Amino acid sequence: EAGVAQSPRYKIIEKRQSVAFWCNPISGHATLYWYQQILGQGPKLLIQFQNNGVVDDSQLPKDRFSAERLKGVDSTLKIQPAKLEDSAVYLCASSSTANTEAFFGQGTRLTVV
Amino acid sequence: AQSVTQPDIHITVSEGASLELRCNYSYGATPYLFWYVQSPGQGLQLLLKYFSGDTLVQGIKGFEAEFKRSQSSFNLRKPSVHWSDAAEYFCAVGAVSSASKIIFGSGTRLSIRP
Repeated sequence: EAGVAQSPRYKIIEKRQSVAFWCNPISGHATLYWYQQILGQGPKLLIQFQNNGVVDDSQLPKDRFSAERLKGVDSTLKIQPAKLEDSAVYLCASSSTANTEAFFGQGTRLTVV
Repeated sequence: AQSVTQPDIHITVSEGASLELRCNYSYGATPYLFWYVQSPGQGLQLLLKYFSGDTLVQGIKGFEAEFKRSQSSFNLRKPSVHWSDAAEYFCAVGAVSSASKIIFGSGTRLSIRP
């Protein structure tokens, strides 16, 4: 069974630029999560999708972050414009339903300079 | 609201010694509990999970955890650690709900002394 795929693995951008991350969840998984993990901290949930609907985006900085999950499969997370404090690893995870174990991708390490 | 506390930021144990990592959670209803491990530069891997039933759960790599409702705890244990266990360990809590989200603790970094 293929795991959660994320790209790119690494990205370096200047502040005020925009960036997008892509995630392909495990086939058949209805729930998709985006987490932000700042160095030395635990993952913080940014947004949770159930199929193509948003379940929770209470911690998403909506003035600069956006996410979509078209057709209930792949998802993209965008930051525009980026700030220095957005430097982090962005983790995508999926689960078969909302309250079962989540499977994580390798993450995208973003550095904003 | 759900929350998870991992009181130990960094723990060092000798190879072959026993290990216990602490986790306390806060949630008003029946929780789902998880332990994940993260090696440098890697994503998170599930070690074990508790949904219901036997409060002592076995996981991969020789780990186990015990759910104690009265103490709101879900501590991770291993009887004898190996150098390859050095990593960051995260406790997480979910909920019995179709709209549940999984909330993570701040993690405990485990170092192994040769």
